[in-house]
Amino acid sequence: NAGVTQTPKFQVLKTGQSMTLQCAQDMNHNSMYWYRQDPGMGLRLIYYSASEGTTDKGEVPNGYNVSRLNKREFSLRLESAAPSQTSVYFCASRRTGRNEKLFFGSGTQLSVL
Amino acid sequence: DAKTTQPNSMESNEEEPVHLPCNHSTISGTDYIHWYRQLPSQGPEYVIHGLTSNVNNRMASLAIAEDRKSSTLILHRATLRDAAVYYCILRGDGGSNYKLTFGKGTLLTVNP
Repeated sequence: NAGVTQTPKFQVLKTGQSMTLQCAQDMNHNSMYWYRQDPGMGLRLIYYSASEGTTDKGEVPNGYNVSRLNKREFSLRLESAAPSQTSVYFCASRRTGRNEKLFFGSGTQLSVL
Repeated sequence: DAKTTQPNSMESNEEEPVHLPCNHSTISGTDYIHWYRQLPSQGPEYVIHGLTSNVNNRMASLAIAEDRKSSTLILHRATLRDAAVYYCILRGDGGSNYKLTFGKGTLLTVNP
């Protein structure tokens, strides 16, 4: 099983450029998440999607937009990248129920120059 | 939202037990306590979770205080592979069920 797949793994952008980070899960989970992690810091929640068709802001949503395209895919878009958005981005999906847990992707390392 | 407080760092020796504390004094009665860990250059991975009773699995044990205002993740015999950042988070109920926030966690160093 692939689990949670993120693309790309690495990306370098110039200030003002736009890009979309892709995330897909093959576990039929309803909930999906986007986090960012700055060097030496913990994870901060950007946006989450409780189910297909719904999205909600997390702790640090400014400068980002998301799309829950279908149950499998949850994308994160930077419309006009800024150096402050240099970070590692993690996508996660959540299994609910008695054995609930988050499954994380391997991350996208983004540098904005 | 209820918050958690963890020490920034802890150190342990290989093959010794490790007790990682977490304070969550504003926890509500329906909040689950979850622990994740993040190995270097990887995404976080699930460790364990519980509500009121102590829990054990193949990775660790979770001891929850009777008043639920604190909990302790126990690694029974630390190995070098356990060196990671450990996060204690609360998963709420109802409307906050889906908003899962992490703090800075505890950086565990394991000495050979």
